[in-house]
Amino acid sequence: EAAVTQSPRNKVTVTGGNVTLSCRQTNSHNYMYWYRQDTGHGLRLIHYSYGAGNLQIGDVPDGYKATRTTQEDFFLLLELASPSQTSLYFCASSEARSYEQYFGPGTRLTVL
Amino acid sequence: GEQVEQRPPHLSVREGDSAIIICTYTDSATAYFSWYKQEAGAGLQLLMSVLSNVDRKEEQGLTVLLNKKDKRLSLNLTAAHPGDSAVYFCAVRSSGSWQLIFGSGTQLTVMP
Repeated sequence: EAAVTQSPRNKVTVTGGNVTLSCRQTNSHNYMYWYRQDTGHGLRLIHYSYGAGNLQIGDVPDGYKATRTTQEDFFLLLELASPSQTSLYFCASSEARSYEQYFGPGTRLTVL
Repeated sequence: GEQVEQRPPHLSVREGDSAIIICTYTDSATAYFSWYKQEAGAGLQLLMSVLSNVDRKEEQGLTVLLNKKDKRLSLNLTAAHPGDSAVYFCAVRSSGSWQLIFGSGTQLTVMP
């Protein structure tokens, strides 16, 4: 079974702060995704990647950067965090463009 | 682009009752339909999925119905039990796209 882990699980920062969310998958999946989950909006795609060094823009990329350093590791960067980025962030992975995505447990980020 | 509406946002039922969650979508080319379950503090897990050539699928107390004419997807939990309490999301994918579009989620509470 696919294993996707995220760290930290909870993070509090201040407006203007610099935050890095980490995601690791250990099933050799090619595709990795970052989503944010907000009440009333479901999951919205921020960025995704189909391999080390690759980055693609999702539906809500403003204010976020991402980097895929290896096949296993995908990072989401908030360089100037704002309160509007307070959310629950999920990382997911999939085989190529497979139908099924495997999700991590989420990181709850609060920007004060 | 594809839009998905999910209802109800909150659903409370008694143990043993059935619970029905509905999603409507806009793109007639939608080819893949899925339901995910999110338990408290955890990521999303795939419950069931169907392709557009399937109208009905049953597995372990869950029934997925697809009405392509009305562009409606439903999940029916028959004989719900407290362990079914979670947030449920539909997610669909158009034939011309790889991206999953998620509904806004339904918080299901099953009372003993």
